[in-house]
Amino acid sequence: EAQVTQNPRYLITVTGKKLTVTCSQNMNHEYMSWYRQDPGLGLRQIYYSMNVEVTDKGDVPEGYKVSRKEKRNFPLILESPSPNQTSLYFCASSRASDRGGHGYTFGSGTRLTVV
Amino acid sequence: EDKVVQSPLSLVVHEGDTVTLNCSYEVTNFRSLLWYKQEKKAPTFLFMLTSSGIEKKSGRLSSILDKKELFSILNITATQTGDSAVYLCAVFIYVKTSYDKVIFGPGTSLSVIP
Repeated sequence: EAQVTQNPRYLITVTGKKLTVTCSQNMNHEYMSWYRQDPGLGLRQIYYSMNVEVTDKGDVPEGYKVSRKEKRNFPLILESPSPNQTSLYFCASSRASDRGGHGYTFGSGTRLTVV
Repeated sequence: EDKVVQSPLSLVVHEGDTVTLNCSYEVTNFRSLLWYKQEKKAPTFLFMLTSSGIEKKSGRLSSILDKKELFSILNITATQTGDSAVYLCAVFIYVKTSYDKVIFGPGTSLSVIP
């Protein structure tokens, strides 16, 4: 089954404790992206990747890192999480030609709480 | 600054009602407008609109784009409880070479009560 797998689904952590949210897709998609969703603000792009070793900042990259060493994986790293990073996170992937949103496959989401 | 605005932000209707959700946008380098449905999990794609005045239809849902007035509407007729969800409007824009992006609105939360 074609899918984007995010782990974990839920995470409660403490301020300053480094964490990684994993994202893996099995569709050989070139394009991958991370979003955070907050009430009243919709989804905002954190980072995106056009292909292996090609990543760039989205609209809200502060406090986050990503890497794209393999085509299928695009982990999101929070080196020193803070409470303002409490949010619902989505990973999405698509073919490069479909990155206009209509071809997105979203992961199931990770609900992160930083206390 | 590029932005997408949706109204209303929340709506409660009775089964069988018809609803209209609104989306307006102010962006540079517009490429397309998208509608998604989100039911407590990941958004699922509904429509992509690129041309003004051409209605897209899928069952009881339909949508149309007005590129002159910079807005779109999503209509749902004969609503059912299964239509309860957050409806997201998004706009795909060109930013620079090798970078274009999708900007999402805040969403309209629709609740359909029996």
